[in-house]
Amino acid sequence: AQSVTQLGSHVSVSEGALVLLRCNYSSSVPPYLFWYVQYPNQGLQLLLKYTSAATLVKGINGFEAEFKKSETSFHLTKPSAHMSDAAEYFCAVSGSASKIIFGSGTRLSIRP
Amino acid sequence: DAGVIQSPRHEVTEMGQEVTLRCKPISGHNSLFWYRQTMMRGLELLIYFNNNVPIDDSGMPEDRFSAKMPNASFSTLKIQPSEPRDSAVYFCASSLDGEVNTEAFFGQGTRLTVV
Repeated sequence: AQSVTQLGSHVSVSEGALVLLRCNYSSSVPPYLFWYVQYPNQGLQLLLKYTSAATLVKGINGFEAEFKKSETSFHLTKPSAHMSDAAEYFCAVSGSASKIIFGSGTRLSIRP
Repeated sequence: DAGVIQSPRHEVTEMGQEVTLRCKPISGHNSLFWYRQTMMRGLELLIYFNNNVPIDDSGMPEDRFSAKMPNASFSTLKIQPSEPRDSAVYFCASSLDGEVNTEAFFGQGTRLTVV
């Protein structure tokens, strides 16, 4: 069975500061891991995904995430926050089957 | 491709009425998911289909909820009878399940309000 835990339901950073959103996963098989972003009144869209090709994954809008098997983590980072990054971010995991399980989400706020 | 298409975008209904939500997945995708999103419970997987067959419906909350996928290009989620606690945003998503799991592509959601 797979699951993800997102630490921190709300993160607030200043514009230009580092963004770090935490995600830990649990999986009985080698996982596929995803980060999605949801803007208000929108569906979810993919930021990036890990499929075992490389441990450091680069996504859209300057985001990246590093897969660390020893820590069972897949934290999302961005060096410099922009006001447009304010949104809800979801970590997700799937295993050998199609089933994709999402974390509880982290709301990112950006202070001017 | 137009992406995953859900209808209606908004639905307001009275308690006890039947509600049907519709989804057209991306052409060629063979997995389809129904999720429910609420403030209290976050994003919950209700059911998912692979090649039109329901694989896991353990997330369906009660017998009042049912989902069908009669063909590769259409799925419905029905609530009968509806209750105020069913108020939520319901998302449909689809993916291509192969040797490497691809991401799920989401529709815009249906915002359901049961009064």
